[in-house]
Amino acid sequence: SAVISQKPSRDICQRGTSLTIQCQVDSQVTMMFWYRQQPGQSLTLIATANQGSEATYESGFVIDKFPISRPNLTFSTLTVSNMSPEDSSIYLCSGGHATNEKLFFGSGTQLSVL
Amino acid sequence: GESVGLHLPTLSVQEGDNSIINCAYSNSASDYFIWYKQESGKGPQFIIDIRSNMDKRQGQRVTVLLNKTVKHLSLQIAATQPGDSAVYFCAENKGWTSGSRLTFGEGTQLTVNP
Repeated sequence: SAVISQKPSRDICQRGTSLTIQCQVDSQVTMMFWYRQQPGQSLTLIATANQGSEATYESGFVIDKFPISRPNLTFSTLTVSNMSPEDSSIYLCSGGHATNEKLFFGSGTQLSVL
Repeated sequence: GESVGLHLPTLSVQEGDNSIINCAYSNSASDYFIWYKQESGKGPQFIIDIRSNMDKRQGQRVTVLLNKTVKHLSLQIAATQPGDSAVYFCAENKGWTSGSRLTFGEGTQLTVNP
């Protein structure tokens, strides 16, 4: 298994500002992903965080809005840029040890944008 | 588009009864399925998984059934307890070429009445 820690756990931000969310895994993982979960809804994949290279974004998500870093096998960051109230959501980091295996999730970052 | 969906958004059961949560998927290429439990304020927690070369897999109080003919997945919880109250998601992995990217269903809110 893998224990995934995210911070901050929650934040309230002003419109137009940016927030960087950190994700730390207690063991090296091959795969890391960032998901968004809007209130009462399912999880939507934002991007795959690739070590040492640019993240791979899903349809509807772009690097300018959600820049992602992954400098090593245990750490990643997601930045939500130029925030608007529509960005209010829970952002979840996940990791897995191998392709086509289970993913483990952090507790998420609850973001509210005023 | 291809998606993983659920038959019922809510399920209410009496403590001690068995629960069955259903999930339909549409991608015949999917070869790996996972059930997650998400409690309020927490990230998804892995419950059980099954690969497409299996029809059934059992864990502690939980059983997952896979019917590839009708593209149907179910989670059975035996002797349901109040602590089982949560949202349950099925997730689909479309194969190793998808890089372990999981697609999540809509979720079923399970409520266990004492």
